[in-house]
Amino acid sequence: DTEVTQTPKHLVMGMTNKKSLKCEQHMGHRAMYWYKQKAKKPPELMFVYSYEKLSINESVPSRFSPECPNSSLLNLHLHALQPEDSALYLCASSQERTGGWETQYFGPGTRLLVL
Amino acid sequence: ELKVEQNPLFLSMQEGKNYTIYCNYSTTSDRLYWYRQDPGKSLESLFVLLSNGAVKQEGRLMASLDTKARLSTLHITAAVHDLSATYFCAGSETSGSRLTFGEGTQLTVNP
Repeated sequence: DTEVTQTPKHLVMGMTNKKSLKCEQHMGHRAMYWYKQKAKKPPELMFVYSYEKLSINESVPSRFSPECPNSSLLNLHLHALQPEDSALYLCASSQERTGGWETQYFGPGTRLLVL
Repeated sequence: ELKVEQNPLFLSMQEGKNYTIYCNYSTTSDRLYWYRQDPGKSLESLFVLLSNGAVKQEGRLMASLDTKARLSTLHITAAVHDLSATYFCAGSETSGSRLTFGEGTQLTVNP
């Protein structure tokens, strides 16, 4: 089973709202990722958690706040977003290998619209 | 810093024809990945290429890696409409946690 699930599928929020995106995997993967993808562009890495600890933050604005409550779950808390943050947000996970991490498996994504 | 370039960015081909997508990368990459993305959908892992000369095939798609030339190719044989999608290659430096994607090749297969 190579399934990563994400909720919600779609989200519309105002610039003053607070919302959260959720990602879950039960494959025993110990690395989890958040990506942002704009239309017709490749995914851009935002955050990486390895062993439930934040290992990479690609200089993402603080209005995005990641959280990894346990090895299966990854959240992305959103607050005071801007319209340009509208995008497809993808979660991915990968299992450990010697010296690094295996193939990243992606979830279906949350399509976010900020009004 | 690893840079990945794909070409062509747009490819329109007829069913039954063959074509190749090219992926060049700038520095040593730990491994090379190919993903497929259908419109509005997520990324599906197609291939991971680990070493020089690696070749992998799945159906009408075949991927290869030449680490000396820093080049990977995705060859499409006898294209069918169902292969219409955007194809991304991605490289990773050392540990594999940071993927660098190419811009993607938007493939349209016409009947």
